[in-house]
Formats: sequence, structure tokens, C-alpha cells
Amino acid sequence: AQKITQTQPGMFVQEKEAVTLDCTYDTSDQSYGLFWYKQPSSGEMIFLIYQGSYDEQNATEGRYSLNFQKARKSANLVISASQLGDSAMYFCAMREPNAGKSTFGDGTTLTVKP
Amino acid sequence: KAGVTQTPRYLIKTRGQQVTLSCSPISGHRSVSWYQQTPGQGLQFLFEYFSETQRNKGNFPGRFSGRQFSNSRSEMNVSTLELGDSALYLCASSTGEVELEQYFGPGTRLTVT
Repeated sequence: AQKITQTQPGMFVQEKEAVTLDCTYDTSDQSYGLFWYKQPSSGEMIFLIYQGSYDEQNATEGRYSLNFQKARKSANLVISASQLGDSAMYFCAMREPNAGKSTFGDGTTLTVKP
Repeated sequence: KAGVTQTPRYLIKTRGQQVTLSCSPISGHRSVSWYQQTPGQGLQFLFEYFSETQRNKGNFPGRFSGRQFSNSRSEMNVSTLELGDSALYLCASSTGEVELEQYFGPGTRLTVT
């Protein structure tokens, strides 16, 4: 069974600074995808970034980058130059190919201070 | 391209009633997955439909059911509502094939009184 662990229930960061949100995963599958989503208070789950298990390069999307360390089974999200609008809950998730199920972590609440 | 849409956005029902939620996926996506999100249990997978067939199912009682139509739109039904069914119900769409990216709708917030 797949498992995602996010050990930081809450994080604070100063505006314009970088922050790393931790995620470790456990799976016996060779092929899988790792995702990060942002969920503001409105509830919508916003896709941020994706990393495939066979991708050798770390994924980047604008201010978001995913620090993928396969041997350690970690997929940390790095947000550079934090903005006030980044304050939200962040979820790490894993998905297998051809499987509609994603397994989510418990989430990390990020608060950006002005 | 339009995103995933869910209707209604908010719903208040009474214990014992039933409810139907709707999800329209991104055009071209054939897979629709449903999730329940509660403060206590987090995000839990309900089921996935692909090309009108249920392909995966989570650990929810039979009161939770779904279906998918030929245009890929999906409905989720909950019968005999319980207070514990109060939650945010999210649906997500994807191509359902090798591509793994999955996009979520805004959710339906169900309150059972």
C-alpha cells in the first residue's frame, strides 16, 4: 500500500524568503507519480507540480520546485520568494499509472508573514 | 480549456435523505475520481470511473455510489445520509491513461444536519 507522510503540520515563512515543505513516501511500485497541491481556504485543490518516478531531473514550475530524492523516498516542495498569497494548506500526493486513486498526506499549513 | 466543474457548490441536507453530486471533467478526460475530505480523516479516495466503468474503489460503505455517462460526466450519490457524511467532496479528472496528472474541481461542501 502507498503511504505519504508530511511531518510538518504548520510552517511559517517571512515574505520573500524560501521555504521547504517535507514529504516522504512509501511504495513498492516502480512506476508512480508524485504531486503537490495547494488548497486555499476556498477548498479548491490547485495542482502545483508533478514528478514522475523515472524523471531524472527535479521538476520546476515557476517559483515551485520539487526536490526529488528517490533513494530516500522524499519529494520535498521548495517555494522560492514566498508571497502572502502562498498562505494555504499544501498536500503531497502519489499516484500509480492507470489508477484513479491518489494517496494524500495530511497536509502542511503554510503561513506567510509580511 | 475549461476546468473541472462541480455542482452544486454547497448543499445542506437532513439525516436520512439522499444526495446527488455532479462532476464535469476537463474536455477529453475520461477518468473521474471522487474524494471525501474531512478534518478528521483528511482526503480519502471514494472511487474512480473510466469510460463509464468503475475502475477503482475505496473503503466506503455501499451508501456511496457513482456512475459515469458517455460524455464522461460523473455523478456521486449518497443515500441515507449520516452526520458524518458532512464533508468537502472533490472530484478530479485525468486522461486515465499513462499520463498521471490529475486536476481537481472546486468541490461540493455538503452539510448534513
